[in-house]
Amino acid sequence: QKEVEQNSGPLSVPEGAIASLNCTYSDRGSQSFFWYRQYSGKSPELIMFIYSNGDKEDGRFTAQLNKASQYVSLLIRDSQPSDSATYLCAVPRGSGGGADGLTFGKGTHLIIQP
Amino acid sequence: KAGVTQTPRYLIKTRGQQVTLSCSPISGHRSVSWYQQTPGQGLQFLFEYFSETQRNKGNFPGRFSGRQFSNSRSEMNVSTLELGDSALYLCASQQGLNTEAFFGQGTRLTVV
Repeated sequence: QKEVEQNSGPLSVPEGAIASLNCTYSDRGSQSFFWYRQYSGKSPELIMFIYSNGDKEDGRFTAQLNKASQYVSLLIRDSQPSDSATYLCAVPRGSGGGADGLTFGKGTHLIIQP
Repeated sequence: KAGVTQTPRYLIKTRGQQVTLSCSPISGHRSVSWYQQTPGQGLQFLFEYFSETQRNKGNFPGRFSGRQFSNSRSEMNVSTLELGDSALYLCASQQGLNTEAFFGQGTRLTVV
C-alpha cells in the first residue's frame, strides 16, 4: 500500500519569507504528485502537480521532485497570511487504467505570521 | 465549467440510521472517488468508481457502500451509523489516470 509522509507542523513562517513544505512517498513507481491546499472547514484545492524530476514553477509556488530520493517539496515565495492553511501531498493509488483515486499525507499546517 | 457538486452540505443523523450522499462530477470526468476526513486520521480513501464499476475500495467496513450511474453521478451510503462516522465526506472527480482530482465542497455528517 502506498504511503505518503508529511510533517504535521505547525510550520510557522514570517510574512514575506519562503515557506518550504516536504513530502516523502513509499512507492518508487509513483509517477505524479499533487499538492493541495485546504483552509479550515473547506475542501482541498489543487495548487500544483508535477510529473517530472526537477522544478515546476507557477506564480509564487514551486514544486520540486526528486524521484531517486522519493521526495517532493513545495516552496511558497513571498508568503502571505492568506497562505496559512494545511497543505496536503498526494500520489495516485494505482497504476492501471482509469484514475484510481489518491493517497494523501496527513498534511502540514502552515502559519504565516504577519 | 461547473465544478464537483455534493449534496447535502450538512447532515445530522442519529446512531443506527443510514445516510446517502450524492456527488455530481465535472462534466466529462468518468472517475469519482470518495474520501472521509477526520481530524485524527486525515483524508482516507473510501472507494473509486469508473464507468459505473467500483475499481478500488479502501479499508472501511461493509457499512460503507457506493454506486455510480451511467451519467457518472455517484452516491455513497453508510448504514447503521456510528458516532465515529462523524466526518467530512469528500467526493473528487478525475478525467483519467495520473490526472488532477477536483474536490466538491463536501458533506459534513454529524452522528449523534
